[in-house]
Amino acid sequence: ETGVTQSPTHLIKTRGQQVTLRCSSQSGHNTVSWYQQALGQGPQFIFQYYREEENGRGNFPPRFSGLQFPNYSSELNVNALELDDSALYLCASSLGGGRGSYEQYFGPGTRLTVT
Amino acid sequence: AQSVTQLGSHVSVSEGALVLLRCNYSSSVPPYLFWYVQYPNQGLQLLLKYTTGATLVKGINGFEAEFKKSETSFHLTKPSAHMSDAAEYFCAVSALYNNNDMRFGAGTRLTVKP
Repeated sequence: ETGVTQSPTHLIKTRGQQVTLRCSSQSGHNTVSWYQQALGQGPQFIFQYYREEENGRGNFPPRFSGLQFPNYSSELNVNALELDDSALYLCASSLGGGRGSYEQYFGPGTRLTVT
Repeated sequence: AQSVTQLGSHVSVSEGALVLLRCNYSSSVPPYLFWYVQYPNQGLQLLLKYTTGATLVKGINGFEAEFKKSETSFHLTKPSAHMSDAAEYFCAVSALYNNNDMRFGAGTRLTVKP
């Protein structure tokens, strides 16, 4: 069984640029959630995708957008990068669109640095 | 809406001593409570979770937590700390049976002294 994987591991971008982060969910999981973890803080919920549809969103501006593909892998896109977007971005996969008591399995994260 | 407060951003214990990491939650609906551990440069690993039923929950690596509704608390304990327990610990809450908006605390860094 393959766990949750994320790419790239590290990324450096310039303010104003756009970035795409990728997540492959654990085999059999149909739900992907994205979190932003700033340095020294807990993860903050960005949004969740379930069966290719957005299924809940946290307090993040529209320049944070996502996709989920038929194989349930997912992308997080951030436009017009700001310095405060520098963080560890975590992806978690699970079953059931957040319903039920299914566990979320986290990937290792992508460290984004915006200069 | 749900929220979590972790009391103490840093906790230091000696090897073999009791570990106690504090978590208080706020929730307008029955909560779904979690403790996660994060080692440097890694993602989050679930230690334990509470949904319903028995209020004392046992997790991996000898950790356990007790759900106390009257105190809105979910403190994490381990009777005897090991050096390998040194990590960042996060308490999280979501609505029961609806974890598509999980809220995390700011984390507690546990240091274990030899």
